[in-house]
Amino acid sequence: SAVISQKPSRDICQRGTSLTIQCQVDSQVTMMFWYRQQPGQSLTLIATANQGSEATYESGFVIDKFPISRPNLTFSTLTVSNMSPEDSSIYLCSVARTGWSSTDTQYFGPGTRLTVL
Amino acid sequence: GESVGLHLPTLSVQEGDNSIINCAYSNSASDYFIWYKQESGKGPQFIIDIRSNMDKRQGQRVTVLLNKTVKHLSLQIAATQPGDSAVYFCAERLLGGGPLVFGKGTRLSVIA
Repeated sequence: SAVISQKPSRDICQRGTSLTIQCQVDSQVTMMFWYRQQPGQSLTLIATANQGSEATYESGFVIDKFPISRPNLTFSTLTVSNMSPEDSSIYLCSVARTGWSSTDTQYFGPGTRLTVL
Repeated sequence: GESVGLHLPTLSVQEGDNSIINCAYSNSASDYFIWYKQESGKGPQFIIDIRSNMDKRQGQRVTVLLNKTVKHLSLQIAATQPGDSAVYFCAERLLGGGPLVFGKGTRLSVIA
């Protein structure tokens, strides 16, 4: 397994501002992902964070709104830009250790609970 | 604090009984499946996984059953305990890899 930490654990932000969420893993991993979990909902993939290149975004998510960095194999950030109340969600970092294998287990961080007023 | 799964289907079971949580997955090309448990205020926690070349896999107190014909996955929890109360999600991945795609989730409530 992997030990994943996220900062901040929760935040309350004003409309129009931006928040950067950090994800740190205790060991090097090949794949890092960012998910969103809206209240009472399941998890939706935002993007795959690629080391050394631009993140790969899923349909409905764009780089201008959710810029992502991945400077090395243990760290990634997700920024939620120009926030609105609809961005109030739990944001989850997830990792897969060995790569794009179909049987590679994904592990999740504790999540960042964001409330936008 | 925030609560996950406010509007999810709920399964209520008596402590000590067996629980069965069901999931219909979407893609017949999916090759790998995982069940996760998410307690309030926490991220999803891996429970058990199964590949598409298997019909059944057992862990400690948990069993996952896979029916590829009807694209159905189930999680059985034996002798359910209060600590099993949580939201349970199934997730699937396509053959060849890629990120997991999650199902809707079920809230399990254990009655002491």
